[in-house]
Amino acid sequence: TQLLEQSPQFLSIQEGENLTVYCNSSSVFSSLQWYRQEPGEGPVLLVTVVTGGEVKKLKRLTFQFGDARKDSSLHITAAQPGDTGLYLCAGAKLNYGQNFVFGPGTRLSVLP
Amino acid sequence: ETGVTQTPRHLVMGMTNKKSLKCEQHLGHNAMYWYKQSAKKPLELMFVYSLEERVENNSVPSRFSPECPNSSHLFLHLHTLQPEDSALYLCASSQEWSQLQPQHFGDGTRLSIL
Repeated sequence: TQLLEQSPQFLSIQEGENLTVYCNSSSVFSSLQWYRQEPGEGPVLLVTVVTGGEVKKLKRLTFQFGDARKDSSLHITAAQPGDTGLYLCAGAKLNYGQNFVFGPGTRLSVLP
Repeated sequence: ETGVTQTPRHLVMGMTNKKSLKCEQHLGHNAMYWYKQSAKKPLELMFVYSLEERVENNSVPSRFSPECPNSSHLFLHLHTLQPEDSALYLCASSQEWSQLQPQHFGDGTRLSIL
């Protein structure tokens, strides 16, 4: 059983569509990060959320941390081919030292 | 361009070979990490160094041996690896070893064990 689950595992959409991907756990996290990893590259941090219910926006990306700090979502508006990649969430737990546990990721493909 | 450089980018080795992966960060960070990324599995933390001291060793087999000679460099020495060790090995760094600090990743070394 994975500590963090992400859904969907794969997503293929057309340019201009909206989408939401999810990161869920039965555990409470003190903070949660979202990364995007493009083919042949390492993950790049998109955002860190810390407060339950927090919403952060990064251009066309909207991140929300659940009120109970057990889940998070990433919504992309008007997806573009440049959004293609593996989206990873990573949670930090209060009793897990200073380290993060990563989810398995959602692989997004945006077709032109 | 990341600020965290990993070499080599690709490595093919036999099970009896000895090789080393290198990571260098130009960000002035005090913490460095090794992760393993396999197909169909989440990113797995292997080792953490903070101020050149190893602070985490997540039950990694002894055939993987890390070394941190200074705060800018991190090595992963490999010997007698198994086919299941084929994966992308990612190095990361952060300002401090802290949940509140973002991690900056290199582009990884793609390792294939024959």
